[in-house]
Amino acid sequence: EDQVTQSPEALRLQEGESSSLNCSYTVSGLRGLFWYRQDPGKGPEFLFTLYSAGEEKEKERLKATLTKKESFLHITAPKPEDSATYLCAVQAWTGNQFYFGTGTSLTVIP
Amino acid sequence: DADVTQTPRNRITKTGKRIMLECSQTKGHDRMYWYRQDPGLGLRLIYYSFDVKDINKGEISDGYSVSRQAQAKFSLSLESAIPNQTALYFCATAARDRDTDTQYFGPGTRLTVL
Repeated sequence: EDQVTQSPEALRLQEGESSSLNCSYTVSGLRGLFWYRQDPGKGPEFLFTLYSAGEEKEKERLKATLTKKESFLHITAPKPEDSATYLCAVQAWTGNQFYFGTGTSLTVIP
Repeated sequence: DADVTQTPRNRITKTGKRIMLECSQTKGHDRMYWYRQDPGLGLRLIYYSFDVKDINKGEISDGYSVSRQAQAKFSLSLESAIPNQTALYFCATAARDRDTDTQYFGPGTRLTVL
């Protein structure tokens, strides 16, 4: 069964304190792994797509990496405006559906 | 203007009522999706459509129906609303990017069924 598990559920960081969010997945043939940012009461905002193990992508203070079993979202020197819930999703080669994790709620304290 | 719009943004209704949530997009994408989001459960797929003549059930389609009126419009209906359909509903569109589909989400509709 295709599954996506994110950890931790919640993370509190001091401004400038770097850390990583984890997304573990089991899927019968990974077509793509996606990271989204979601602010309270709003729709998820697309961040990255990763296609194969070893791939990395960066955007400002965020860097996403991918292995055969998991993805990490590294946050370098976070700022309060990075506070949000970060969602991970996968799409398998079999079928057209997406499977979402339950997210990591990140709070960055000034 | 937003690329994906949803109406209404908030709706309170009573058990047994029929309601419709609407989604419109200006992104020119063929693929459209309806999800619901519940605390602790994440986003779950209700229905998806790859073009006007193609409608597919998702993970949790029972109690819901959809209509793809045009490439840009995809509506979700609750024929007889029940309290456990209280949730945040999102519409998404997708563009083919290499071998996968990158989804773009609307702002959501908060639905409360009393």
